[in-house]
Amino acid sequence: AQSVAQPEDQVNVAEGNPLTVKCTYSVSGNPYLFWYVQYPNRGLQFLLKYITGDNLVKGSYGFEAEFNKSQTSFHLKKPSALVSDSALYFCAVRAGSAGKSTFGDGTTLTVKP
Amino acid sequence: KAGVTQTPRYLIKTRGQQVTLSCSPISGHRSVSWYQQTPGQGLQFLFEYFSETQRNKGNFPGRFSGRQFSNSRSEMNVSTLELGDSALYLCASSATGVNTEAFFGQGTRLTVV
Repeated sequence: AQSVAQPEDQVNVAEGNPLTVKCTYSVSGNPYLFWYVQYPNRGLQFLLKYITGDNLVKGSYGFEAEFNKSQTSFHLKKPSALVSDSALYFCAVRAGSAGKSTFGDGTTLTVKP
Repeated sequence: KAGVTQTPRYLIKTRGQQVTLSCSPISGHRSVSWYQQTPGQGLQFLFEYFSETQRNKGNFPGRFSGRQFSNSRSEMNVSTLELGDSALYLCASSATGVNTEAFFGQGTRLTVV
């Protein structure tokens, strides 16, 4: 069975500071890892994904994520946070040929001016 | 390219009734997944359809069912509604392949009274 853990329900950062949203995963075989963002009353939007290759993945809106196989982690990062980054962030993992994705419980990011 | 469309956006039903939600995926996407999102339980996987066949199923009671049509449009049905079924129901479509990201609709907000 595959699983995702987002250990922090809430992350608070000041605008202009770097941010990190943590994600760890458990899966059999090679993982395909994703980050999504959800704004209030909206569906989830894709940010970035790790499939293979370079461990540092760059995505939309200046976000990036680092895949660490030994620590089974895929933390989301941004060098300089914006107030508009405030939202709910989900990490997801998929493995195997069946295509089922497992999502973490989500982390609410609040960026204060 | 049109995104994923879910109808209706909002729905109020009485306990014991049944409801049908609709999802039109992105053109060319053959995989459609359904999720239930609640504040306490996060994002829970309901089922996934691929080429009119249910490929994966989550841990929901038999009251929750779905289907997919030949044009990839999908419906989910919930019978004998309970108060606990109140949630945001999200549909996501994706292209073929386990390394492809999901595109989500804005969801249907179901309230059971």
